[in-house]
Amino acid sequence: DAGVTQSPTHLIKTRGQQVTLRCSPKSGHDTVSWYQQALGQGPQFIFQYYEEEERQRGNFPDRFSGHQFPNYSSELNVNALLLGDSALYLCASSLNRLTIVEQYFGPGTRLTVT
Amino acid sequence: GENVEQHPSTLSVQEGDSAVIKCTYSDSASNYFPWYKQELGKRPQLIIDIRSNVGEKKDQRIAVTLNKTAKHFSLHITETQPEDSAVYFCAASVNSGYALNFGKGTSLLVTP
Repeated sequence: DAGVTQSPTHLIKTRGQQVTLRCSPKSGHDTVSWYQQALGQGPQFIFQYYEEEERQRGNFPDRFSGHQFPNYSSELNVNALLLGDSALYLCASSLNRLTIVEQYFGPGTRLTVT
Repeated sequence: GENVEQHPSTLSVQEGDSAVIKCTYSDSASNYFPWYKQELGKRPQLIIDIRSNVGEKKDQRIAVTLNKTAKHFSLHITETQPEDSAVYFCAASVNSGYALNFGKGTSLLVTP
């Protein structure tokens, strides 16, 4: 049973460029959330996708956008990269239901903006 | 929005001692409180969680307590072992499947 996978593992971009990060949820999961984790900080919620729609969004600018595909995988896009966007980007998946659900995290993509 | 404060930021204990990490939250609508453990270079992993209709939950050496009136919850690790060394994050959410609002983390070091 594959867990949450993310690609690429590491990425180096230049300020002003655009980047796309990818996430495949754990088998059977239909909901994907994205988090940004700066060095020495806790993860910060960016947004969540369910049924190919953005269901919830955190306090991030419009430069951050996403997409969910029919197979539940997801992409995070960041435009006009800033130095402050350097962080570990974590994807978490879960199954949408009324009982308590665990959010499973992927290993993350380390983005460095120079 | 929800604000989660976590203390202490670093904690050093000797093997066999207990460790306690405390968190407070601001949004009274929050009703789900998970704790994650993150080892260096690895993904956060859920170690225990609690819902607001429960005051305490235990799983072997780990326990979590919740005081909804005071809006604080704590993680207790007993009989600590060197492999407990990691960064621990508390989080709060209005629903277990929705946005998790994390604290800044506690770096726990257990020395033999």
